[in-house]
Amino acid sequence: EVQLVESGGGLVQPGGSLRLSCAASELIFSKYVMTWVRQAPGKGLEWVSVISGSGISTHYADSVKGRFTISRDNSKNTVYLQMDSLRAEDSAVYYCAKSISETGYYYLDYWGQGTLVTVSS
Amino acid sequence: SYVLTQPPSVSVAPGKTARITCGGNNVGSKSVHWYQQKPGQAPVLVIYYDSARPSGIPERFSGSNSGNTATLTISGVEAGDEADYYCHVWDSSSDHYVFGTGTKVTVL
Repeated sequence: EVQLVESGGGLVQPGGSLRLSCAASELIFSKYVMTWVRQAPGKGLEWVSVISGSGISTHYADSVKGRFTISRDNSKNTVYLQMDSLRAEDSAVYYCAKSISETGYYYLDYWGQGTLVTVSS
Repeated sequence: SYVLTQPPSVSVAPGKTARITCGGNNVGSKSVHWYQQKPGQAPVLVIYYDSARPSGIPERFSGSNSGNTATLTISGVEAGDEADYYCHVWDSSSDHYVFGTGTKVTVL
């Protein structure tokens, strides 16, 4: 069974940085598009960023473009989300999720359990 | 940017049918996926490509998509179906994933 485990969340001050990691197991990691989705407390799901299987293609939500960077290390079966210039409104549970294709953007069939990011002074 | 609009809440008696709509401009031309999320848990895929069910999802869950509205239908609703439901598409014009606003299903 595919497993996705996020880590790296925590409390950070406004303007600070944090790097999230998502480690995957039981799959050929490089064959799948990976995405980050967040959920603020009591709110709905918000897509954050996506990266192709090779890591060449990346896309970002307008709310994080220029501040967040998605990357992956296929040798470590891990996808990352570098978050800079953090704001209070970035506070959320961050989920990583796997798509079904290496290059196409389709449904998300496996999700991690999430890691909580709190931006506060 | 592309927007998907869902009703905030749907209430249904046990054994009845719940219908959750997902409205978007010409959403019928896109593939719509649906996720169920229970409190404190990660989302779970319940419908993909408009109407396909992943293995392990009961036949009570079905989907359709046409025109400006996609619909998730839960037949014979059970107490365990109480959750938040989100629709989801890829918008190729903006290269963005988009989630619907979410619908809370309450079983009376």
